Amino acid sequence: DGGITQSPKYLFRKEGQNVTLSCEQNLNHDAMYWYRQDPGQGLRLIYYSQIVNDFQKGDIAEGYSVSREKKESFPLTVTSAQKNPTAFYLCASSIGPGQLFSGANVLTFGAGSRLTVL
Amino acid sequence: AQSVTQPDIHITVSEGASLELRCNYSYGATPYLFWYVQSPGQGLQLLLKYFSGDTLVQGIKGFEAEFKRSQSSFNLRKPSVHWSDAAEYFCAVRVYGGSQGNLIFGKGTKLSVKP
Repeated sequence: DGGITQSPKYLFRKEGQNVTLSCEQNLNHDAMYWYRQDPGQGLRLIYYSQIVNDFQKGDIAEGYSVSREKKESFPLTVTSAQKNPTAFYLCASSIGPGQLFSGANVLTFGAGSRLTVL
Repeated sequence: AQSVTQPDIHITVSEGASLELRCNYSYGATPYLFWYVQSPGQGLQLLLKYFSGDTLVQGIKGFEAEFKRSQSSFNLRKPSVHWSDAAEYFCAVRVYGGSQGNLIFGKGTKLSVKP
């Protein structure tokens, strides 16, 4: 079955360490996204990529980095510069980059990764 | 700036009762509108979406939502709630010209279902 796989599901990090969250999709989607979710805060966009080797900052990119070397993969690195990294991280993908084609606007989400800083 | 408001943080309903979750958005034109559902510790699943046309849209799991332009609302409804509907529900909008796929999410409404 096609879908998005995020790993690890749970991750613990000491302060000052960088960690990388994996996101892999086999939906043949062009666009991929990373969101951060905090209790009672909804989802906020960290980074997104519409095509391989290209990505853009979202609303809260500071302290994070990404790469998009393959269409299927969009890993997120949470660096030591991120002051409050404990959160639930969600990866998503969509077809595109379309314009007003309705399908391009529907995001498929992975199951998420929970990062806790000790 | 565009925004999405879900006024109810937590709602409890009895199993079999009807449900309405409210969503209001702030935007000058008609956006694309979505409802997603999230079970604890899981990702989000799309329930339904509105792009244009009929303002009453049907989704999965027996949910429907109605777009009311005059009220800038997109409320989610279900006639009879099942215990398995207990989850968190997110309304989201994407505006024309917004970055591809960048949805603006509300803060969510947590639904509890009493037996």
